[in-house]
Amino acid sequence: DVKVTQSSRYLVKRTGEKVFLECVQDMDHENMFWYRQDPGLGLRLIYFSYDVKMKEKGDIPEGYSVSREKKERFSLILESASTNQTSMYLCASSFGTVREQYFGPGTRLTVT
Amino acid sequence: AQSVTQLDSQVPVFEEAPVELRCNYSSSVSVYLFWYVQYPNQGLQLLLKYLSGSTLVKGINGFEAEFNKSQTSFHLRKPSVHISDTAEYFCAVIRSGNTGKLIFGQGTTLQVKP
Repeated sequence: DVKVTQSSRYLVKRTGEKVFLECVQDMDHENMFWYRQDPGLGLRLIYFSYDVKMKEKGDIPEGYSVSREKKERFSLILESASTNQTSMYLCASSFGTVREQYFGPGTRLTVT
Repeated sequence: AQSVTQLDSQVPVFEEAPVELRCNYSSSVSVYLFWYVQYPNQGLQLLLKYLSGSTLVKGINGFEAEFNKSQTSFHLRKPSVHISDTAEYFCAVIRSGNTGKLIFGQGTTLQVKP
């Protein structure tokens, strides 16, 4: 079974802090994704990576950056957390371009 | 622009009743479609997918969906629901250009009552 793990299930940070969310997949997938999920809005793509050191902006990249130094690991960085970044963050991975994505359990981030 | 519309934000239904969750998409290129389920405080799990072939797709937990190209729909159905089916359901489509990126609908909360 594909396994996607995220470093924290719940996280509370203060406004202005730098926040790192880590995601690891164990199936050698090329593609990795970061989404945020908010009620009534579904999932929105923040960033996408199709290879090590390669990244592409999604629909809502403002206020976020990413890092992919190894194939299995994809990090989401909030350079200076703000209260409007309070949300559920979901990581996913996939193999190829016409394949389903596999999701991690999510990190619920609260910025106070 | 590509989009996915889930027509109902909430669907209440009694246990053992049939259910249909509706999904319409707009796309001129991609017809790769998925349904995911999210149980409380968990990530998304794939229920079923349509990539090609038969338009009736069977998935896990007794769910099925029918791809209708003329109606641009991919509705999810189950003939008899259980309390354990209470969850949020997301329809998704791969974006044109086959980059592997998905567009998600807004989600439908299925509430199964005893």
